[in-house]
Amino acid sequence: KNEVEQSPQNLTAQEGEFITINCSYSVGISALHWLQQHPGGGIVSLFMLSSGKKKHGRLIATINIQEKHSSLHITASHPRDSAVYICAALVTDKLIFGTGTRLQVFP
Amino acid sequence: DSGVTQTPKHLITATGQRVTLRCSPRSGDLSVYWYQQSLDQGLQFLIQYYNGEERAKGNILERFSAQQFPDLHSELNLSSLELGDSALYFCASSVGAGKNEQFFGPGTRLTVL
Repeated sequence: KNEVEQSPQNLTAQEGEFITINCSYSVGISALHWLQQHPGGGIVSLFMLSSGKKKHGRLIATINIQEKHSSLHITASHPRDSAVYICAALVTDKLIFGTGTRLQVFP
Repeated sequence: DSGVTQTPKHLITATGQRVTLRCSPRSGDLSVYWYQQSLDQGLQFLIQYYNGEERAKGNILERFSAQQFPDLHSELNLSSLELGDSALYFCASSVGAGKNEQFFGPGTRLTVL
């Protein structure tokens, strides 16, 4: 079993839909990162959080430390949100990555 | 643009060869991280340097080595290359060590033939 699990692996949505991607981890962490990887391969850091909730534009990330679970929400999804979303747990200076969620948003 | 630069963008070489990947962190960042992304293993942490010193080590093979120079740029050396070393290699940087947001470079795509 991987230390960081994501679901779903693949997600298809219509433009405007509300999207949720889930991340569960089995190790003690000091923070959790959400990353976005575009088809060209570049990786962008979306959030780093260790408690509660963060919001940036249409993106919201939450974390529940007791339940070892984090979610990434996208409101009013748009085709340009199509990418792979990766959660990564920070464990004593090392990032342990989930396998990613491939999101496709159709017009 | 994250401010992290990596060269070269693409590298094609043969098995048994040695290559060097270069990374320049964002201005002011002291930490540099190296990651490997392969099709079968996903993203994996290789090694971290902080202000010139090795700080954390992940799944880095003995054939691979890295260093961070006084100007804070870093190099990842891969030797005795095998077909399985073909991957995207990312560098990231952060202000400090530990709980800091990391900014990723564009990556170097290595193909070993």
